[in-house]
Order: sequence, then structure tokens, then C-alpha cells
Amino acid sequence: GAVVSQHPSRVICKSGTSVKIECRSLDFQATTMFWYRQFPKQSLMLMATSNEGSKATYEQGVEKDKFLINHASLTLSTLTVTSAHPEDSSFYICSAGTSGWETQYFGPGTRLLVL
Amino acid sequence: EDQVTQSPEALRLQEGESSSLNCSYTVSGLRGLFWYRQDPGKGPEFLFTLYSAGEEKEKERLKATLTKKESFLHITAPKPEDSATYLCAVRDGGATNKLIFGTGTLLAVQP
Repeated sequence: GAVVSQHPSRVICKSGTSVKIECRSLDFQATTMFWYRQFPKQSLMLMATSNEGSKATYEQGVEKDKFLINHASLTLSTLTVTSAHPEDSSFYICSAGTSGWETQYFGPGTRLLVL
Repeated sequence: EDQVTQSPEALRLQEGESSSLNCSYTVSGLRGLFWYRQDPGKGPEFLFTLYSAGEEKEKERLKATLTKKESFLHITAPKPEDSATYLCAVRDGGATNKLIFGTGTLLAVQP
């Protein structure tokens, strides 16, 4: 149980384009989802917390207009990187938890490369 | 400020050579300490949750323990397939349920 999927697993795009990453909880309902980014050989950095049906809460220093998060249902959250630039290239990972949850379960990650 | 420090940064073991990884934490009101395993290019895989000092949990060759200031991940007779980065995290003491991660320990087990 507690499986989280992400799509796509890898994406290459041109600078200036927008990229959407999906995060799905496959066998449970996730009232809260988290989005992280991870640079090589570094730990996970929380970008934002999203609760189903409400606006996401962004961490300090994360541009909410650049990283759009939508959590429209209890099983799906999306992260859209708008007008992507090479410095946005990174490994993006989502996690999900239920109400009264004890543990965050992570997706397999999405590797974004912006040329 | 809530903080998590892991040591060592990297550890190289021979197959069968037992050892421990350390996670020291400072948090205002611990609401869970978590251990994850992360393989290269993949998301973290959940291993254990610990809530109170004295608690221990085991899974195969791994055993996690918790005190009021730190947690240990003991690896008994490791195998090459145990090679990975092991991440420790604590849940934020506030109402946000955020996890605060350490920088991880990169474990390499040589046959």
C-alpha cells in the first residue's frame, strides 16, 4: 500500500516553455501533498505544501508564480514549472499523506532538464 | 530552529561488516522521526517511523533506535544491495506536518 506515482519520469524542454508534472496517490486519498526539489548530492528541499481544494503554501524563496501547484482532487496534485530556464533543471519529487497520517510516501521523482 | 544533522556523510563497509549511522536532531516537540532509503535517481523509500525515546524498530538487517537527541540506524551484516543514501527527517513541531531532512549518509557496501 501507500504507492505514489509521478509522470513524466524524465522531461527535456527548451528554455521558456512550461512543464507540468503530475503526482498521484494510487491506493489512498491524500489530503496533503508536498513538492520537493533535489540537486545532485544534496538533500530534499521542500518547495510547497498543497492541501486538496485550497491554495498551496510555498516555502520562503520559492516563487509561487513560477511553480504553480494545483491539488484538485484527493489523488492528484500537479506542479507546473512556468517559463522554465536552465537553472530550473533539477530532480522534482512529490510526497503524499492522508489526514491523520503518520508518514509521507514519496513518488519516484521527475528529472527535468531545461536546455 | 529545527535542525537535523546526519553523520557520517559517507560510509564504506565490507560485506558483513556491521555499523551504525547517526541522526542528531533539534526540534520543538518531536512528532516523529523518519528514516528513508534513497537509491540514485529515485524517490525516498520509507523505512521507519519512531516517536518516543527508547523506541526501536527492525526490518531485515536494519534496526532504528531513538533517544531524546538522536537516532541510530544500525546495519547488521550488510550486503551490497544495502548500498544507498539513508535519509533522516523529523516532523516539524508546528501544525504544518512538514518534514525537515538531514543531508543523508551515502552507504557503500563492497562485496
